[in-house]
Amino acid sequence: AQSVSQHNHHVILSEAASLELGCNYSYGGTVNLFWYVQYPGQHLQLLLKYFSGDPLVKGIKGFEAEFIKSKFSFNLRKPSVQWSDTAEYFCAVNPRAGNKLTFGGGTRVLVKP
Amino acid sequence: NAGVTQTPKFRVLKTGQSMTLLCAQDMNHEYMYWYRQDPGMGLRLIHYSVGEGTTAKGEVPDGYNVSRLKKQNFLLGLESAAPSQTSVYFCASSYSTSGVISYNEQFFGPGTRLTVL
Repeated sequence: AQSVSQHNHHVILSEAASLELGCNYSYGGTVNLFWYVQYPGQHLQLLLKYFSGDPLVKGIKGFEAEFIKSKFSFNLRKPSVQWSDTAEYFCAVNPRAGNKLTFGGGTRVLVKP
Repeated sequence: NAGVTQTPKFRVLKTGQSMTLLCAQDMNHEYMYWYRQDPGMGLRLIHYSVGEGTTAKGEVPDGYNVSRLKKQNFLLGLESAAPSQTSVYFCASSYSTSGVISYNEQFFGPGTRLTVL
């Protein structure tokens, strides 16, 4: 069965600091990759997604992620965070031929003003 | 478009009570999903449906039942609630797959916070 690992459970940053969240998955075939964000008290929203093509994907709110196939990784980055980026971030994977998402455990990010 | 809606938003049950959570989507999506979210465990799939009248088990189906009588609705039932079912429940929907290519971006509802005492 596929699994998704997010290495950091909690991250605390100051505004303007850079953010990188790790995500690794275990699945041998072709996959679709997603990062979702959940702001306090809200539902999950899609930040960005990768299906094919350029492995560097740009999403909303200045986020980007890089797919490294050889490392089975899809790390999320933002060069300069804002207080409003305080949220929980989830990496998710689904096999290209399937229809079920597998989520990582989530990373809570707290940005101090 | 309302997107994906869920009712109720909050509920408190006593052990052994039953309830049904309703999910509705107005995007004409074929696929619908029920997840539970627990701290440190991300979202885990309970049941899902690939079309009207069809359902399938996900990762953690025990203690739950579902029905998809109409394309736009997906119901999650707890027949006899247990404290272990205290969680936040999210419904999601997505387009169907096309051939061998699956573009499975899921759209989520606002969640139902359930407490079982």
